Amino acid sequence: DGGITQSPKYLFRKEGQNVTLSCEQNLNHDAMYWYRQDPGQGLRLIYYSQIVNDFQKGDIAEGYSVSREKKESFPLTVTSAQKNPTAFYLCASRSSGLSPEQYFGPGTRLTVT
Amino acid sequence: DAKTTQPPSMDCAEGRAANLPCNHSTISGNEYVYWYRQIHSQGPQYIIHGLKNNETNEMASLIITEDRKSSTLILPHATLRDTAVYYCIVSPYMNSGGYQKVTFGTGTKLQVIP
Repeated sequence: DGGITQSPKYLFRKEGQNVTLSCEQNLNHDAMYWYRQDPGQGLRLIYYSQIVNDFQKGDIAEGYSVSREKKESFPLTVTSAQKNPTAFYLCASRSSGLSPEQYFGPGTRLTVT
Repeated sequence: DAKTTQPPSMDCAEGRAANLPCNHSTISGNEYVYWYRQIHSQGPQYIIHGLKNNETNEMASLIITEDRKSSTLILPHATLRDTAVYYCIVSPYMNSGGYQKVTFGTGTKLQVIP
């Protein structure tokens, strides 16, 4: 089945550690996105990538980094510089064709203590 | 991008139609109306989109007013599995190579009641 996978579902880290969240898609989509969601809030865009080896900052990129070495993969690193890293992280992808919808993964819930 | 206004919460009896309103009075001519929903602790799911004509698919119907300043998402026969947060979004339609920035607000929390 085609889709987007994020792993792990739950992740726990100590403060001061960097952590990398995985996002893989087999939909052959060009564009990929990372969002952050806090309790009771909407989604905020962290980074996005339209093609391999290219990515752009979203609205809240500080303290995060990404890479896009392969079309299928768009990992997000939450660095120790991110002041409030505990959140629900969602990855999405979108075809570059005429289809406008974004397809979301199941999310990773990160807790930093 | 235009902003949207949605009621924070709504209830609907199981089997009845759920009508979720959305105001987008500052929508511009090239912006589409999109609806997504998010079931608790899952990623959002695309439902439907439209420009100015009413649209229907297997999940829902979208009614857009003639002046395009508001719209209504209709779930014709709500089930308990439709309990979710529903997001109304307006955004330009981006074709090949374009980036579609989609801003998710806080949405409407729909509770379907048995």
